[in-house]
Amino acid sequence: NAGVTQTPKFQVLKTGQSMTLQCAQDMNHEYMSWYRQDPGMGLRLIHYSVGAGITDQGEVPNGYNVSRSTTEDFPLRLLSAAPSQTSVYFCASSYSGLLGMGEQFFGPGTRLTVL
Amino acid sequence: QQQVKQSPQSLIVQKGGISIINCAYENTAFDYFPWYQQFPGKGPALLIAIRPDVSEKKEGRFTISFNKSAKQFSLHIMDSQPGDSATYFCAASKASGTYKYIFGTGTRLKVLA
Repeated sequence: NAGVTQTPKFQVLKTGQSMTLQCAQDMNHEYMSWYRQDPGMGLRLIHYSVGAGITDQGEVPNGYNVSRSTTEDFPLRLLSAAPSQTSVYFCASSYSGLLGMGEQFFGPGTRLTVL
Repeated sequence: QQQVKQSPQSLIVQKGGISIINCAYENTAFDYFPWYQQFPGKGPALLIAIRPDVSEKKEGRFTISFNKSAKQFSLHIMDSQPGDSATYFCAASKASGTYKYIFGTGTRLKVLA
């Protein structure tokens, strides 16, 4: 199993450009999420999905869009990049069971710089 | 408020010493408290987790202590090793009805050889 994969590893954008961060998992997990990690601020939830066709906002959703057409994929779209979106982005997935969400498995991250 | 406050921000420990990281939460509905370990350039990985029906959980050199009345939990790393040097995050969530983790701000641990 590859686990959670993310592409690209690094990306530099100019203000106003758009791009999609890709995330895929091969563990058949229902739950997937996107976090951003900034120095001194820990991991903050951007958007999450509890299954194909179902998404919801997290703590910092503004400027980001998501969709979930398959169980495996959960792309994150930046429609008009801003310097404030310079960050490291992590995708995570988890099974969900009787006790709720289980262990989250994180991808290796995408380091995004917006000039 | 659904914050999780983590301290200290950074920690330096001698090899063989005990590393202690503390977290405090506000929402009494939280009932799952994991700790994640992150090495530079990598994604976080689950280290150990606890539910509030127990006051302590130990896995090898890593122990979580949980104080439900104080709404605090802590990670103890016994016999700290240079390989433990990483950033540690605590988190909290509700087991059911929600799929959101609230993470602490992280503690950068350095273990000196």
